[in-house]
Amino acid sequence: IAGITQAPTSQILAAGRRMTLRCTQDMRHNAMYWYRQDLGLGLRLIHYSNTAGTTGKGEVPDGYSVSRANTDDFPLTLASAVPSQTSVYFCASSDTPEGAAYNEQFFGPGTRLTVL
Amino acid sequence: GQNIDQPTEMTATEGAIVQINCTYQTSGFNGLFWYQQHAGEAPTFLSYNVLDGLEEKGRFSSFLSRSKGYSYLLLKELQMKDSASYLCAVMDSNYQLIWGAGTKLIIKP
Repeated sequence: IAGITQAPTSQILAAGRRMTLRCTQDMRHNAMYWYRQDLGLGLRLIHYSNTAGTTGKGEVPDGYSVSRANTDDFPLTLASAVPSQTSVYFCASSDTPEGAAYNEQFFGPGTRLTVL
Repeated sequence: GQNIDQPTEMTATEGAIVQINCTYQTSGFNGLFWYQQHAGEAPTFLSYNVLDGLEEKGRFSSFLSRSKGYSYLLLKELQMKDSASYLCAVMDSNYQLIWGAGTKLIIKP
């Protein structure tokens, strides 16, 4: 593994089904994030984790949950998918949560999710 | 509320210079980031500004004026591979990134 991986790459899901998007990083970064990206809108933060064992809510957390059992993994779960959750989901990580020169967020390749 | 504004789309010619503007209103300020995103791919980091002034990195430069809530990304000697969306993001007082919708840059030969 090099950087951040996400799985699956894409998924079509029936409304009402439960779905977990997986995210794994091998950079030993403390902070991890889940975003959704919709056409015409900026990336929106769903949930974040500043360090293993802690999580927090972002701008659009409703309908999503996360866990951070260890440093490397940060799965995102949709408990009961709805069509408005159709989006591209990006996982990202950074060394620390703070802003600093070159403390940029590294992004995974994304998961394209369609809820019908 | 928090808001990041940038033009939706810009067109420029190969070899030319283009400036992409970004204005912001956020709760606190802990730096401004520019990212590049090619279609269908993940965003990748370009630059970070936390103090007023110009940061230069090869063909790309980024400018910040905190008093005006304004930044720009300057791309010189444009190449076809620079066709992408450019995302402006501000880190607020809670260390969360607030993202603009992105500027789609089209490069014509």
